[in-house]
Amino acid sequence: EAAVTQSPRNKVAVTGGKVTLSCNQTNNHNNMYWYRQDTGHGLRLIHYSYGAGSTEKGDIPDGYKASRPSQENFSLILELATPSQTSVYFCASGDWGGAYAEQFFGPGTRLTVL
Amino acid sequence: AQSVTQPDARVTVSEGASLQLRCKYSYSATPYLFWYVQYPRQGLQMLLKYYSGDPVVQGVNGFEAEFSKSDSSFHLRKASVHWSDSAVYFCAVSAPNYNVLYFGSGTKLTVEP
Repeated sequence: EAAVTQSPRNKVAVTGGKVTLSCNQTNNHNNMYWYRQDTGHGLRLIHYSYGAGSTEKGDIPDGYKASRPSQENFSLILELATPSQTSVYFCASGDWGGAYAEQFFGPGTRLTVL
Repeated sequence: AQSVTQPDARVTVSEGASLQLRCKYSYSATPYLFWYVQYPRQGLQMLLKYYSGDPVVQGVNGFEAEFSKSDSSFHLRKASVHWSDSAVYFCAVSAPNYNVLYFGSGTKLTVEP
């Protein structure tokens, strides 16, 4: 079964600190995504990747970097965390095209920036 | 650019009643359309999707949705809801050649006994 895991599940950070959120998938999907979820906004795309070594900006990339060192791993990096980045972050993996179009989501990481 | 509107932030229905959750999308051509469900403290799971063919698509757990190009809608339906259907439901849209999803703001469904 498709599996996307995220670590840590919960994180408390200080303003100005560096935060790294990690995502691992065992689906062998080419595409991976990072979203944040805030009340009233649904999920908004931060960064995504088409494969190892590639990263693309989503709709709200400011203040975030992404890294895709391998097919399985995709990280989201907050170099200088701010309280406005307090949110729940979801990673997803997926393939695309007709019947195969689907994204599989991880359980989420709850980040609090104090 | 694609966008999705879910006009109802919260919906409450009685167990055994029928359900419709509304979704309107904005896109110039025929998009891919999805419904996802999120149970408390979990990630999202896909219920169903439309990408071509029959406008009525069947999903898991008795859910179905109907694509309407004329109305730019993709409403989710269920004939008889169960308490375990209580969750947040998200509609999402994508261009067929662009594997990025755009989500609506979600509808929180509460099923009362």
